[in-house]
Amino acid sequence: QKEVEQNSGPLSVPEGAIASLNCTYSDRGSQSFFWYRQYSGKSPELIMFIYSNGDKEDGRFTAQLNKASQYVSLLIRDSQPSDSATYLCAVTSGTYKYIFGTGTRLKVLA
Amino acid sequence: GAVVSQHPSWVICKSGTSVKIECRSLDFQATTMFWYRQFPKQSLMLMATSNEGSKATYEQGVEKDKFLINHASLTLSTLTVTSAHPEDSSFYICSARSIWTSGGADTQYFGPGTRLTVL
Repeated sequence: QKEVEQNSGPLSVPEGAIASLNCTYSDRGSQSFFWYRQYSGKSPELIMFIYSNGDKEDGRFTAQLNKASQYVSLLIRDSQPSDSATYLCAVTSGTYKYIFGTGTRLKVLA
Repeated sequence: GAVVSQHPSWVICKSGTSVKIECRSLDFQATTMFWYRQFPKQSLMLMATSNEGSKATYEQGVEKDKFLINHASLTLSTLTVTSAHPEDSSFYICSARSIWTSGGADTQYFGPGTRLTVL
């Protein structure tokens, strides 16, 4: 059973701090890794994806992938209250279907 | 770019009736669309994969006769919940697969979702 695991949280960080969200996956052959943000009552929206080892930056967001350790993380710099949401990690593993984690709820405290 | 729409955004129906939900990719062609269901405080559960011009592939435990999927064109997939019952009340979300995402990854873009309430 291919699995993607996330800490459900909530992860609370003060406004302006760095939020660090982590995701581990079980299938070493996983190829692509996605981070989505989902506000309560809304559908997921894509933040970014990564498929090579290392860091990828997009604005305040940085995705980090370590295939040897089978984890992917998302850093949010200068966190804002509007970043408060559930962050979903998704992985493709042999097919184009996603395997989703259960999500981490982030609370940014003003 | 990569906008996906869903209609309706919410629907309330009586038990035993059927409800159709449309999913459209507005600015790209999607040979593959996915249908998910999400219950409160839970993650997304994939129901089926919809491929243009062929039959949908359903996940284990999803009744294909209850959740009818049609992918009539490269921009439209529909989900019909037949003979809906209160336990079918949920948030239904579609996504469309884009293989031409800048940067190269095969990416899913989600519609805004349809909240179904069956009385």
